[in-house]
Amino acid sequence: DTEVTQTPKHLVMGMTNKKSLKCEQHMGHRAMYWYKQKAKKPPELMFVYSYEKLSINESVPSRFSPECPNSSLLNLHLHALQPEDSALYLCASSQERGSSPLHFGNGTRLTVT
Amino acid sequence: RKEVEQDPGPFNVPEGATVAFNCTYSNSASQSFFWYRQDCRKEPKLLMSVYSSGNEDGRFTAQLNRASQYISLLIRDSKLSDSATYLCVVYAGNNRKLIWGLGTSLAVNP
Repeated sequence: DTEVTQTPKHLVMGMTNKKSLKCEQHMGHRAMYWYKQKAKKPPELMFVYSYEKLSINESVPSRFSPECPNSSLLNLHLHALQPEDSALYLCASSQERGSSPLHFGNGTRLTVT
Repeated sequence: RKEVEQDPGPFNVPEGATVAFNCTYSNSASQSFFWYRQDCRKEPKLLMSVYSSGNEDGRFTAQLNRASQYISLLIRDSKLSDSATYLCVVYAGNNRKLIWGLGTSLAVNP
């Protein structure tokens, strides 16, 4: 069982919709991440939060907007997405940003129509 | 040269076989190394961290060779449930990023 919880598991949205992905961890980890994964590719880093502050934005388009309300929660707000944004969105946490191993949630499978 | 390279496979092995994967990395400042496994349409799961002295967890053994800049994963007595993609991940302190290999696909056949 994963200790990082993501909701929803599946999401279908139109290109004009606004939706949010949610992630929660209760392991006391101080770093949280958003990754995007396409089929047969490794996860691709989008954002990193360390101690609730955004520390890495991997040149992600502004239609993806992260938010870290507190040390346990991480959101990803989606607006005006494109069909090519369809992917598995993974949230992860680690004890600290850097060399600590990542613990992933189950992911949200997003389809943009 | 890619920062982290893995043989994509697929590796097809019978149950009970021993199989080994290698992963090479280019940044000599790399500090931490991990193996993850990922089942189809699931999230990656940490299989092992790799330590300088090598480490073993049941049927799985991980080794680090800093001189040649590679890590390895050995799976003994393969089970059907070992079928997955195995991802090598390397952390380099100088750029503070985790770099992922493309993964090696393993299919264990009855």
